Amino acid sequence: LAKTTQPISMDSYEGQEVNITCSHNNIATNDYITWYQQFPSQGPRFIIQGYKTKVTNEVASLFIPADRKSSTLSLPRVSLSDTAVYYCLVADTGRRALTFGSGTRLQVQP
Amino acid sequence: GAVVSQHPSWVICKSGTSVKIECRSLDFQATTMFWYRQFPKQSLMLMATSNEGSKATYEQGVEKDKFLINHASLTLSTLTVTSAHPEDSSFYICSTRLPSSYNEQFFGPGTRLTVL
Repeated sequence: LAKTTQPISMDSYEGQEVNITCSHNNIATNDYITWYQQFPSQGPRFIIQGYKTKVTNEVASLFIPADRKSSTLSLPRVSLSDTAVYYCLVADTGRRALTFGSGTRLQVQP
Repeated sequence: GAVVSQHPSWVICKSGTSVKIECRSLDFQATTMFWYRQFPKQSLMLMATSNEGSKATYEQGVEKDKFLINHASLTLSTLTVTSAHPEDSSFYICSTRLPSSYNEQFFGPGTRLTVL
């Protein structure tokens, strides 16, 4: 399994764009990059997934460079409700279970 | 997506007792469910994979006789913590995935277990 490294914590203010970068130097050809969000005392929630280049949905954007050794989750104009832990996961589609890293604790302030 | 529920949402028990946690897939039939444990300020740790109609697959270091998993139907998996001790106090979360979804899992709301 590709190991992921992401910042332990980040701080931001409401209305700002937040970019969380995840390193996965040992990513394999069949691996996809997936991001989850977890609020306190709740189960994680899928945010976005990608293989290469850029993926955008109604919640976030995911930027993946050509070498795929890192990825950046971009949250546009964050609000207080975006305060959560964000997990970057790398796994191939054949794996049925997910392995969570330490995650990034994002704190959004007024 | 899939909707997953858990019951109870929290439970407090005395040391030495057993506690059963239910995980239900509400809107589709889940042949596989996953059980995770999360200690405060830590990440999720996979405990076991629950397979409908067969034995669960446990991760290394997880005692199968202590954490009994039953997946008797396509919509229900149960985790029983037997002879619970204070160190078993944790947040237990189940999840499932649609066969067609690549790494998109749907998680339950979690169960907070406190063993006194």
